Amino acid sequence: DAKTTQPTSMDCAEGRAANLPCNHSTISGNEYVYWYRQIHSQGPQYIIHGLKNNETNEMASLIITEDRKSSTLILPHATLRDTAVYYCIVRVVRIGNNDMRFGAGTRLTVKP
Amino acid sequence: ETGVTQSPTHLIKTRGQQVTLRCSSQSGHNTVSWYQQALGQGPQFIFQYYREEENGRGNFPPRFSGLQFPNYSSELNVNALELDDSALYLCASSSQLSANTNTGELFFGEGSRLTVL
Repeated sequence: DAKTTQPTSMDCAEGRAANLPCNHSTISGNEYVYWYRQIHSQGPQYIIHGLKNNETNEMASLIITEDRKSSTLILPHATLRDTAVYYCIVRVVRIGNNDMRFGAGTRLTVKP
Repeated sequence: ETGVTQSPTHLIKTRGQQVTLRCSSQSGHNTVSWYQQALGQGPQFIFQYYREEENGRGNFPPRFSGLQFPNYSSELNVNALELDDSALYLCASSSQLSANTNTGELFFGEGSRLTVL
């Protein structure tokens, strides 16, 4: 699975959009981009995933560049509860494969 | 629909001892994965079970072993505990009905925090 690069930490003002970048320059054509987050003392939580089209759900939007070498997770109106470590993961989706390669992630701090 | 539950939530062991951690998967999920998360790091994949058999393993020694039961619940066993085994152990479940329905979304429990003294 392709390796990802994320900033170590970011700050965001409450109510503003949080834009979390991820580089995955070695991504293969059949690899998806996944985002999870981990709030302190909890297990990771799935946010969103995509292949090449932009995706949106009730939690966030995922913007993938046309060459698929990078992506951005957007939390449109960050709240204090969004303070967490955000993980960008690139992997092939295949039956029987639950091997998620988590890196160190980005520690997002939402400030009042 | 019940989520993924793990037990115990915290435990302390000494070097050389053995430990068993338990996980109940989310209702309807037939695949269970285990992860180890050391302090300040991301979770690391240990192995996964599907239909009661191990079918994927990360870079962990054989003293890390597991089981999956017919009701899809699972155990993680670690023998000959070492100080570096101190970590949060996470269980994740998913549904693996077919390649078309496998979205790759994992549902994690809150974890079992193991301290080895």
